[in-house]
Amino acid sequence: DIQMTQSPSTLSASVGDRVTITCRASESISRWLAWYQQKPGEVPKLLIYKASTLETGVPSRFSGTGSGTEFTLTISSLQPDDFATYYCQQYKTFGQGTKVEIK
Amino acid sequence: QVVLQQSGPGLVKPSDTLSLTCTVSGGSISNSFWAWIRQPPGKGLEWVGSIFYTGDTTDYNPSLKTRVTISLDTSRNEFSLRMTSVTAADTTVYYCARDFRELDIFDLWGQGTMVTVSS
Repeated sequence: DIQMTQSPSTLSASVGDRVTITCRASESISRWLAWYQQKPGEVPKLLIYKASTLETGVPSRFSGTGSGTEFTLTISSLQPDDFATYYCQQYKTFGQGTKVEIK
Repeated sequence: QVVLQQSGPGLVKPSDTLSLTCTVSGGSISNSFWAWIRQPPGKGLEWVGSIFYTGDTTDYNPSLKTRVTISLDTSRNEFSLRMTSVTAADTTVYYCARDFRELDIFDLWGQGTMVTVSS
């Protein structure tokens, strides 16, 4: 089975910061990679699919890049609403999550 | 707008069977895969299994396969999760979701059900 590894596990940042989260696959997955945002007590929300396609309604400060085994989620200017945990996902496997917390 | 509404008990006794149902409203259950995903408190997401709308194709997490059955009722527009011989390790939030295979995403989610395994 393909393993998905995210880094870092926790990220401390301030409003306005540029934030990057990395997700690595144990083997090539082409561009079949999605990103989700989850806030405490809430349902995961799809942000990006096929590595770089923004889901409808997701702010343009979110972007995704990558292919093969290495992918990144970038938030260009962190907003208060963005403090959450982010998960990458390929098929049936999720990464372990990256918590973005207030510095 | 398609909405997934979960139902089922929040408390199950050890060694008993956990049963949850997800009702799809605002759209048809046809032409898609449907999934269950779980998340222990404070931890990450774990795919439990998926079922195709015809009911004849299922796929389960190997670590849970011997205890899990997912079924579907197109007449009721719902699908269900059954997990036998539950233990404290099965105490998690369970989500139903649409497994949109064309894009390899889980794009619609139920509200989540916290299931506690305790006597």
